[in-house]
Amino acid sequence: DTGVSQDPRHKITKRGQNVTFRCDPISEHNRLYWYRQTLGQGPEFLTYFQNEAQLEKSRLLSDRFSAERPKGSFSTLEIQRTEQGDSAMYLCASSVQGTLNTEAFFGQGTRLTVV
Amino acid sequence: LAKTTQPISMDSYEGQEVNITCSHNNIATNDYITWYQQFPSQGPRFIIQGYKTKVTNEVASLFIPADRKSSTLSLPRVSLSDTAVYYCLVGDPMDTGRRALTFGSGTRLQVQP
Repeated sequence: DTGVSQDPRHKITKRGQNVTFRCDPISEHNRLYWYRQTLGQGPEFLTYFQNEAQLEKSRLLSDRFSAERPKGSFSTLEIQRTEQGDSAMYLCASSVQGTLNTEAFFGQGTRLTVV
Repeated sequence: LAKTTQPISMDSYEGQEVNITCSHNNIATNDYITWYQQFPSQGPRFIIQGYKTKVTNEVASLFIPADRKSSTLSLPRVSLSDTAVYYCLVGDPMDTGRRALTFGSGTRLQVQP
């Protein structure tokens, strides 16, 4: 158990619907990352928060994607008007800033299937 | 970003030592080398991190030559449960952005009985 929780674990949705995923990081971790992973590929960076500030967003994050981290605690990733190409595993990770250790703790992921 | 190159896949047998080499010719002075392991349907898991020479923990060893342009993850006496994808990452752990956590395609290790 890494301590990072993601909910739901699986989501099946129809094309065009909106979906929202939640990530609860390890409580003292101030960095939070979202990644997307498709079959056979490594995780692709989507966005990154330090506390409540969203510091960086990948070009992969189209205007249909939005992420929030209110109060610097849990985070949500919303996908609007889902497309079949959005089908993937969405991973959340957290870590601590300011340590000489890039050890990030990942959640189990949310597997999204768009039909 | 320092680009990393790893073999796409490797095969081994139980009990053997496995060495996975990663090339990172453009590694920067402040960059560290970190390896992650990922099992199917799970998030990646930190294995080991190093800056130079050799680092060893209960799971693996990491060898880094003096020029730091490559690194080798060594798994002693692998078992079937070591079958996974292994990722080599290069980045500055003090970086406030994503640079420290950029994954490549990884190396798929298959351990046979």
